[in-house]
Amino acid sequence: AQTVTQSQPEMSVQEAETVTLSCTYDTSENNYYLFWYKQPPSRQMILVIRQEAYKQQNATENRFSVNFQKAAKSFSLKISDSQLGDTAMYFCAVEYGNKLVFGAGTILRVKS
Amino acid sequence: EAGVTQSPTHLIKTRGQQATLRCSPISGHTSVYWYQQALGLGLQFLLWYDEGEERNRGNFPPRFSGRQFPNYSSELNVNALELEDSALYLCASSLWSGEETQYFGPGTRLLVL
Repeated sequence: AQTVTQSQPEMSVQEAETVTLSCTYDTSENNYYLFWYKQPPSRQMILVIRQEAYKQQNATENRFSVNFQKAAKSFSLKISDSQLGDTAMYFCAVEYGNKLVFGAGTILRVKS
Repeated sequence: EAGVTQSPTHLIKTRGQQATLRCSPISGHTSVYWYQQALGLGLQFLLWYDEGEERNRGNFPPRFSGRQFPNYSSELNVNALELEDSALYLCASSLWSGEETQYFGPGTRLLVL
């Protein structure tokens, strides 16, 4: 069974600082896709960033970037210049045959 | 561009009843996915529809079923409701079956009493 592990249930960061959320996964596939989604208190799941496993270059979207280590099956999310609006639950997900397998999530609190 | 929409936002049912949840994908998207987010169980894949056909289902009993209409909207039916069916049900859509990025709706919160 495919598994996605987020080892940090909760994290806090001061506004304007940088934080990294961890994610590891298990797969026997060679080509797959990885995602980070954000779920604020409104419960709307919002796509933050995606990474194609066949690309060596790490994906970047404004303040959000990933560190993708394919051999280690690691996919961490770095948030730079944290803002209060970044407070949310963050889910790491891996796409397997058109279904997403999610980690348990990390609650991120940005403090002023 | 309108996002994925779901209705109703909240639904309260009693044990044994049936619930019907609805989802409209982003315009132009043909694939629809359903996920259950239950307290303590995380997000779990339920069903995938594409071009009107059920393509895959997760590890859920047959009383969870659904369909996709010719306009690509979808409905999820849960029969013989049980207390543990209480959860947030999220619908997502993607451009086509080979497009891996899924965009989510706001969810329907189902409470079974």
